[in-house]
Amino acid sequence: ETGVTQTPRHLVMGMTNKKSLKCEQHLGHNAMYWYKQSAKKPLELMFVYNFKEQTENNSVPSRFSPECPNSSHLFLHLHTLQPEDSALYLCASSQGQVGGPRETQYFGPGTRLLVL
Amino acid sequence: QKEVEQDPGPLSVPEGAIVSLNCTYSNSAFQYFMWYRQYSRKGPELLMYTYSSGNKEDGRFTAQVDKSSKYISLFIRDSQPSDSATYLCAMSPPEYGNKLVFGAGTILRVKS
Repeated sequence: ETGVTQTPRHLVMGMTNKKSLKCEQHLGHNAMYWYKQSAKKPLELMFVYNFKEQTENNSVPSRFSPECPNSSHLFLHLHTLQPEDSALYLCASSQGQVGGPRETQYFGPGTRLLVL
Repeated sequence: QKEVEQDPGPLSVPEGAIVSLNCTYSNSAFQYFMWYRQYSRKGPELLMYTYSSGNKEDGRFTAQVDKSSKYISLFIRDSQPSDSATYLCAMSPPEYGNKLVFGAGTILRVKS
């Protein structure tokens, strides 16, 4: 496996379900990100982890709960979601050494989430 | 007002045409400017990166930044059907750390 992988690629869940999205990066990076991408809207940054520590929470509702057990893995735990949470959830990673926007972010293919 | 404005398109052009994709922004503190390309069912990938004003060329692609007008452009010469994708602009001021502000993306279709 190379780059950034995400599982599952597609997920359908009811509003009362609990599910988790998984992201794994094979690039030796130390910064990882969760983004939400909705149709015709800009990518929305949700969470940033640097060296396993959460450094950004962009006012995300508590029904989204991130977890970063190590620099290679990132999870997004989902519970009691709403239909408006249906979107493409993208994970990204960057080197985390230089810091800031100069670092290239490498994206995974995303998880297409549908909340019924 | 959104921080970054980008026309969602779709923009449809014939093969071989010169394509111009644009974004405007409101935050004069933005210093770093990027263009990402996103193919269907894939994540975005970095295409071009520029710092401050000026032009940057990479093969058929040219990125242009005009900070006085708060306007950035991506030009694609000799466009190919394989260039069909969504193009996202992204930018950041130094103090934002890892955070990028994205445009909504422009869908480009190059017809053969």
